[in-house]
Amino acid sequence: EADIYQTPRYLVIGTGKKITLECSQTMGHDKMYWYQQDPGMELHLIHYSYGVNSTEKGDLSSESTVSRIRTEHFPLTLESARPSHTSQYLCASSEYPEGPRYSPLHFGNGTRLTVT
Amino acid sequence: GDSVTQMEGPVTLSEEAFLTINCTYTATGYPSLFWYVQYPGEGLQLLLKATKADDKGSNKGFEATYRKETTSFHLEKGSVQVSDSAVYFCALSSTSGTYKYIFGTGTRLKVLA
Repeated sequence: EADIYQTPRYLVIGTGKKITLECSQTMGHDKMYWYQQDPGMELHLIHYSYGVNSTEKGDLSSESTVSRIRTEHFPLTLESARPSHTSQYLCASSEYPEGPRYSPLHFGNGTRLTVT
Repeated sequence: GDSVTQMEGPVTLSEEAFLTINCTYTATGYPSLFWYVQYPGEGLQLLLKATKADDKGSNKGFEATYRKETTSFHLEKGSVQVSDSAVYFCALSSTSGTYKYIFGTGTRLKVLA
């Protein structure tokens, strides 16, 4: 069951275009994340958010930006797409943990971006 | 810092074979541990989890036990099916207080009929 939604699923766009990848979740989770997944499958955290008006850069440097104006919405924007941005982008969310019990991440189905 | 080391793939097995995918971790404190599965064209799905030492997570015939003494969380299944073909990721919740999750590099499993 998909409680976290990403659109579009596939996007082919030319170099220099501005794009926004959408991510929404209906679970009321405070924490949200964006991962970039390379063809070798490895996941790289590029942005995360602890809640409304909170955003942080992840472990992998990215030219993208994010915003968190509403709890359920965490869009990712590329101001000027380049071929090096071609990748799969995965959005995820989780609840705040209760004590030491971390809740798992819930993932969307991803957006596969190709920049020509 | 925290890290996860996962068995490299691809792993190719015949249907009904026994599966083990090794996962070891490095962390200060007591992380929660997870296995995720990714089918082609989809995002990751939680397969199972364990939140403290000696916990056994299980789901759909898969099992993994949180072994603090060996810092391991190996994934096992007694009899794999073609439908189990996917990429499997081991992960832990960071103990640094940042609410981040650390993933292994993924292991691709292919099961042949």
